[in-house]
Amino acid sequence: QQQVKQSPQSLIVQKGGISIINCAYENTAFDYFPWYQQFPGKGPALLIAIRPDVSEKKEGRFTISFNKSAKQFSLHIMDSQPGDSATYFCAASIQGGSEKLVFGKGTKLTVNP
Amino acid sequence: DSGVTQTPKHLITATGQRVTLRCSPRSGDLSVYWYQQSLDQGLQFLIQYYNGEERAKGNILERFSAQQFPDLHSELNLSSLELGDSALYFCASSVGNLPSYEQYFGPGTRLTVT
Repeated sequence: QQQVKQSPQSLIVQKGGISIINCAYENTAFDYFPWYQQFPGKGPALLIAIRPDVSEKKEGRFTISFNKSAKQFSLHIMDSQPGDSATYFCAASIQGGSEKLVFGKGTKLTVNP
Repeated sequence: DSGVTQTPKHLITATGQRVTLRCSPRSGDLSVYWYQQSLDQGLQFLIQYYNGEERAKGNILERFSAQQFPDLHSELNLSSLELGDSALYFCASSVGNLPSYEQYFGPGTRLTVT
């Protein structure tokens, strides 16, 4: 049973464009939503995270938008660069409950020069 | 470099065998997490230890076990290996025991079962 659904599976964007990756969750108790970035041959690394008390969080070119009523959150990468080419994973967890992250299946982003 | 080390990098073994994967967390981190990453299942949480004690269990098979030692390094033991166990196994560490603490992932161990 997949609790976090991520789309698209793959995404190709031109340099300078906007990359958008979407995630939907089922468990309304989730209260922590991080995004991880994984380059080939490396482990995932935390990119940015949001809690449901805010609707948007921005760090540089990366923005998380959060829609609590729709149970959806998304990652926007502005001015996408070839160096952003990686696999991106959304995740969700319950901070006060089970101490585990539930991951989406990942989106492979390719930014063409 | 996340500061988390994993050995070995690659492991090739036969079905029915047993292997041990090792993880050393970042200095000062008390939590160690183990994850399995495969193409069809994505990143699956297996188990978490915090300061030597099991803290949370995920989709870990009974053939798999783990422990965290007094020096905080951790080992994941996989036994009676099957072809389907072939995957990347990641260890992550964090300073605290809640998921909101940033988890730092190691480079992974690629296990191939033939």
